[in-house]
Amino acid sequence: AQKITQTQPGMFVQEKEAVTLDCTYDTSDPSYGLFWYKQPSSGEMIFLIYQGSYDQQNATEGRYSLNFQKARKSANLVISASQLGDSAMYFCAMRERGNNRLAFGKGNQVVVIP
Amino acid sequence: KAGVTQTPRYLIKTRGQQVTLSCSPISGHRSVSWYQQTPGQGLQFLFEYFSETQRNKGNFPGRFSGRQFSNSRSEMNVSTLELGDSALYLCASSGSPDSNEKLFFGSGTQLSVL
Repeated sequence: AQKITQTQPGMFVQEKEAVTLDCTYDTSDPSYGLFWYKQPSSGEMIFLIYQGSYDQQNATEGRYSLNFQKARKSANLVISASQLGDSAMYFCAMRERGNNRLAFGKGNQVVVIP
Repeated sequence: KAGVTQTPRYLIKTRGQQVTLSCSPISGHRSVSWYQQTPGQGLQFLFEYFSETQRNKGNFPGRFSGRQFSNSRSEMNVSTLELGDSALYLCASSGSPDSNEKLFFGSGTQLSVL
């Protein structure tokens, strides 16, 4: 069963605008972690942001914030003030309790245009 | 602090050969996990090591194996290469397999099997 769902098609975003990438997940484990990674064309998987299932507040890391809606099993990434260097694939991933086995979504392609 | 280092960056092999990929985790990290990324299957978990012990294994044939050394460096080996093994192989490290630990990835090894 698919645990992470990212369904948006490729997106074009105007530079300096905000963009929201959707991610829904499925788990019965009360303890889990949610990640967002960026993968530019070079292939490196760059860590962006992390949200623990017990965290009371939404995670933020600079221009990245995570809109965590636990009851809806949703963990959307918000990128504020898009930059040209934000053009990449973005992956949502989940880790369940006690292991480093990440389940990844299929990714969202984002292209930032000037 | 140096990030996760994967070597080599690119590899070209022929069917039937074997290959060894190397991953040096972030200093102080003891957990290393490996992932295979292909256009068709996306990102799939291979295995995870912590303190030289394999803790988790994904659904891959026995041709895929790995190990971790006392300094936390890890290697993965693929024997009897098949065309379908062509992929980007990514290594991730964290301090421990704990739900609150962040995972950081290396730049990957791009393997092409001819």
